[in-house]
Amino acid sequence: DGGITQSPKYLFRKEGQNVTLSCEQNLNHDAMYWYRQDPGQGLRLIYYSQIVNDFQKGDIAEGYSVSREKKESFPLTVTSAQKNPTAFYLCASTAGPVAQHFGDGTRLSIL
Amino acid sequence: DQQVKQNSPSLSVQEGRISILNCDYTNSMFDYFLWYKKYPAEGPTFLISISSIKDKNEDGRFTVFLNKSAKHLSLHIVPSQPGDSAVYFCAASANGNTDKLIFGTGTRLQVFP
Repeated sequence: DGGITQSPKYLFRKEGQNVTLSCEQNLNHDAMYWYRQDPGQGLRLIYYSQIVNDFQKGDIAEGYSVSREKKESFPLTVTSAQKNPTAFYLCASTAGPVAQHFGDGTRLSIL
Repeated sequence: DQQVKQNSPSLSVQEGRISILNCDYTNSMFDYFLWYKKYPAEGPTFLISISSIKDKNEDGRFTVFLNKSAKHLSLHIVPSQPGDSAVYFCAASANGNTDKLIFGTGTRLQVFP
């Protein structure tokens, strides 16, 4: 079954720690995205990547970093510079100018 | 500055009746619109889309209407079923750039028996 796998489903971070969220897809999609969802808000774009070894900042990139070394993988690191990291993080991918397919998300909480 | 607005945070509809979810936008450059459905603790799933060259798109029980002059779109679900209970997000993109989708805040639909 093709799809997008995000792991872990729940993640806890201590203050001052960096943490990396995993996103893997086997849909052979070129473009991948990271979104953040907060209660009562829509999804906001953090970073996106259209091809391997290239990525662009979205609307709320501060405090986050990404890499795209393989087509299938687009990990997101939430750094200690992100002042309010508690949120639901969604990864998506697309093969072109069509709808984005989403993973089931990772909920990050601060201890 | 919320470019895509879903002003109704929740909607409750009886099973078998019509559900109408609304979405307004402010950016006249938006030319492609999508609706996503989201269950708790899951990612959104694509439901239906419409290009600005159309004013209606239908897929089974789901129909999206676009009124460009009013910068308004709506999603109609007929007949509504309990399994339709979820949060619905509308999203928009400009200039054919679906890399940058702008999402609304969502409307929680509850379909009761």
